[in-house]
Amino acid sequence: SAVISQKPSRDICQRGTSLTIQCQVDSQVTMMFWYRQQPGQSLTLIATANQGSEATYESGFVIDKFPISRPNLTFSTLTVSNMSPEDSSIYLCSASQTGTYEQYFGPGTRLTVT
Amino acid sequence: KQEVTQIPAALSVPEGENLVLNCSFTDSAIYNLQWFRQDPGKGLTSLLLIQSSQREQTSGRLNASLDKSSGRSTLYIAASQPGDSATYLCAAKNSGYALNFGKGTSLLVT
Repeated sequence: SAVISQKPSRDICQRGTSLTIQCQVDSQVTMMFWYRQQPGQSLTLIATANQGSEATYESGFVIDKFPISRPNLTFSTLTVSNMSPEDSSIYLCSASQTGTYEQYFGPGTRLTVT
Repeated sequence: KQEVTQIPAALSVPEGENLVLNCSFTDSAIYNLQWFRQDPGKGLTSLLLIQSSQREQTSGRLNASLDKSSGRSTLYIAASQPGDSATYLCAAKNSGYALNFGKGTSLLVT
């Protein structure tokens, strides 16, 4: 298994600003992912963070709004840009290894946009 | 597109009771199915992972079964305890990387 930490755990931001969320895994992992959980909803995959190349975004999510970095096999960042109240959600980082594809999740970042 | 449904949405049981949480999915061509627990304001804890070739997995008081042909999985919790109170999510993985999540069952053990 993998232990995942995220920073910050929560933040309150003003409309129009940007927030960068950090995700650290305690071991090298093949795959890292970013999910969003909107209030009262289930989790939706935003993108797959690829080490050494551009992230792969799911339908409805774009790089200009959610730029992602993955400089190595244990770390990734997600930026939520030009925020609006609709971006208020929990953002979760996850990781998995090839083989079983079992996914492990971080504690999440609770974002409130005012 | 894979649709995952969890029933019931909420469940309240007295301590000590055995209970079953249900998960159904529309596309049976899954790679695996994973059950998670989410505590309020927290991230997800992986409970059990069932590969498509398996019928069930057990961990302590938890047992998860998988019936691909009928598009169903169940999570059985034996001798429930107040510490089991949480939201339980199931997620199906098809081809690609995304996990398709249900909306969860909110469990309260009193």
